[in-house]
Amino acid sequence: KAGVTQTPRYLIKTRGQQVTLSCSPISGHRSVSWYQQTPGQGLQFLFEYFSETQRNKGNFPGRFSGRQFSNSRSEMNVSTLELGDSALYLCASSLSDGAGDTQYFGPGTRLTVL
Amino acid sequence: GQSLEQPSEVTAVEGAIVQINCTYQTSGFYGLSWYQQHDGGAPTFLSYNALDGLEETGRFSSFLSRSDSYGYLLLQELQMKDSASYFCAVRVTGGSQGNLIFGKGTKLSVKP
Repeated sequence: KAGVTQTPRYLIKTRGQQVTLSCSPISGHRSVSWYQQTPGQGLQFLFEYFSETQRNKGNFPGRFSGRQFSNSRSEMNVSTLELGDSALYLCASSLSDGAGDTQYFGPGTRLTVL
Repeated sequence: GQSLEQPSEVTAVEGAIVQINCTYQTSGFYGLSWYQQHDGGAPTFLSYNALDGLEETGRFSSFLSRSDSYGYLLLQELQMKDSASYFCAVRVTGGSQGNLIFGKGTKLSVKP
């Protein structure tokens, strides 16, 4: 089975712009979660989508949004970029709703905001 | 709030045993997971403890004690390829139900 894929892998934007990142989960996985990883804050949960519905949301401002399509592919959008948004954005998919379900991570999108 | 505390760095020699601790403050959670991340790579799942006690998977073992708000990852027969960052994580119940909270990670350096 193909793993989780994320596009693009690298992105450079300037302050004030917006960006859309894409994630394709493992086939059959209906849950997609997004994380922001920075050296200072570590891995922080952004949101989770399950069957096209946002099921959980982390403590991030409304500039961060996402959606999931009927084929489980997901996108996240960051509007009005700030320097502090520079980070590795990781997407993870999992099989089901189980509390112990394993997260399978994609390679991430490295976003640099100048 | 909810938080997981891990040592930031650990150093050990090849062939040795190392234990990475994770202490947590959370009102409730489903279980404790461990992930490994090599530099430049994606986190990969290592282990999950739903119940108190020890779970063993090859050279890796993980332990959970809910009464002590504590868990650990034990790596035996260390190899150079084990040099990586290790994260503990919990999926919380309650107010932020379902959110997966990660510790800030422990960077393990294995020396020859």
